[in-house]
Amino acid sequence: AQTVTQSQPEMSVQEAETVTLSCTYDTSESDYYLFWYKQPPSRQMILVIRQEAYKQQNATENRFSVNFQKAAKSFSLKISDSQLGDAAMYFCAYRSLNTGTASKLTFGTGTRLQVTL
Amino acid sequence: GAVVSQHPSWVICKSGTSVKIECRSLDFQATTMFWYRQFPKQSLMLMATSNEGSKATYEQGVEKDKFLINHASLTLSTLTVTSAHPEDSSFYICSASHLVATTDTQYFGPGTRLTVL
Repeated sequence: AQTVTQSQPEMSVQEAETVTLSCTYDTSESDYYLFWYKQPPSRQMILVIRQEAYKQQNATENRFSVNFQKAAKSFSLKISDSQLGDAAMYFCAYRSLNTGTASKLTFGTGTRLQVTL
Repeated sequence: GAVVSQHPSWVICKSGTSVKIECRSLDFQATTMFWYRQFPKQSLMLMATSNEGSKATYEQGVEKDKFLINHASLTLSTLTVTSAHPEDSSFYICSASHLVATTDTQYFGPGTRLTVL
């Protein structure tokens, strides 16, 4: 079974600064997807960014980018020019491409990000 | 696009009663829907996976007779908590998988807060 580990329960960043959230995972599979989801106080889960394991290029979405290190099984999220609206719980998630467990997401324990003025 | 709704957003019920939660994909057809449970300050735990027209697949430790899932159409799945007890109080979140080309992404509903008195 796959596991996802987020070792930082809480992080803090000043507005306009950059912060990196860590995520590691364990799998024996070669093809899979990785995701970062954001959960603000409203509790609505919002997809931030997605990475396909077969792509060497790191995914980028505006101020959000990832550092995907497949050999190290690491998938960190970098938020640039942090904004107050970025304050939320961030979850890293793994999805297998195994047809038996297709689409099933395995979540990490989350990192709470605070953004200060 | 890719909006998922849940109803109700919150519900309070007496111990021993049953509660039904609806999950709808508003602007796409969801081949698969998922039900999660989230306790305060914790991650999402997958309860079950449902495919339209077939029986749901429950995760280990989830009582299928207590948490009844019906996925009667490509846009609607329901979770019924039968004979609810205070320990069933939690935040329940559904997601729907939107088939796009050869990939799919889960889009989440806003969640339902269940309080059992």
